[in-house]
Amino acid sequence: EAEVAQSPRYKITEKSQAVAFWCDPISGHATLYWYRQILGQGPELLVQFQDESVVDDSQLPKDRFSAERLKGVDSTLKIQPAELGDSAMYLCASSAPGFVYFGPGTRLTVL
Amino acid sequence: GENVEQHPSTLSVQEGDSAVIKCTYSDSASNYFPWYKQELGKRPQLIIDIRSNVGEKKDQRIAVTLNKTAKHFSLHITETQPEDSAVYFCAGGGAAGNKLTFGGGTRVLVKP
Repeated sequence: EAEVAQSPRYKITEKSQAVAFWCDPISGHATLYWYRQILGQGPELLVQFQDESVVDDSQLPKDRFSAERLKGVDSTLKIQPAELGDSAMYLCASSAPGFVYFGPGTRLTVL
Repeated sequence: GENVEQHPSTLSVQEGDSAVIKCTYSDSASNYFPWYKQELGKRPQLIIDIRSNVGEKKDQRIAVTLNKTAKHFSLHITETQPEDSAVYFCAGGGAAGNKLTFGGGTRVLVKP
């Protein structure tokens, strides 16, 4: 069964450092999402791509976060510089008509 | 944009009893309402969903109801089992690629 792939699964970094997360969606899924899930809360959308184009990044803190999906397939989310409040699970998801599938997530801890 | 509220935030039930989680949404254009189950440290897993053209959907011990007029939908778990213990999230949005807005989650504990 096809799944959304993410790496790394865990990342520990110090504040002010740069971090990057990678996501490979299910083959053929044109829509890709990055969500952030703070412990005890629901996932919050950071950015949505349709192929290589950004559809919604209204909740993305653009002063430190960036996301790209250059060839419309895999995607990278970057944080520079990381802050203590960025500690969370970063979930990538992709969708086929009517269904959204989540990857295993990257748990980020900022010290 | 869409706003989804979920209640209760925690729910403790005795094994074999039913559990009900309720969500409300704000955007009348939303037409897709999935429910996800998330176990500790794992990804959200889709357990059931409903679209705005139906009022109820059932899958074994799980059912979801939708009231478009009142803009609320509910998850019903019957004959609860300890393995049903998890955090459940409702979400609302458009179909086919539109973003989902999630509720705050309900932590369900099924006591044996």
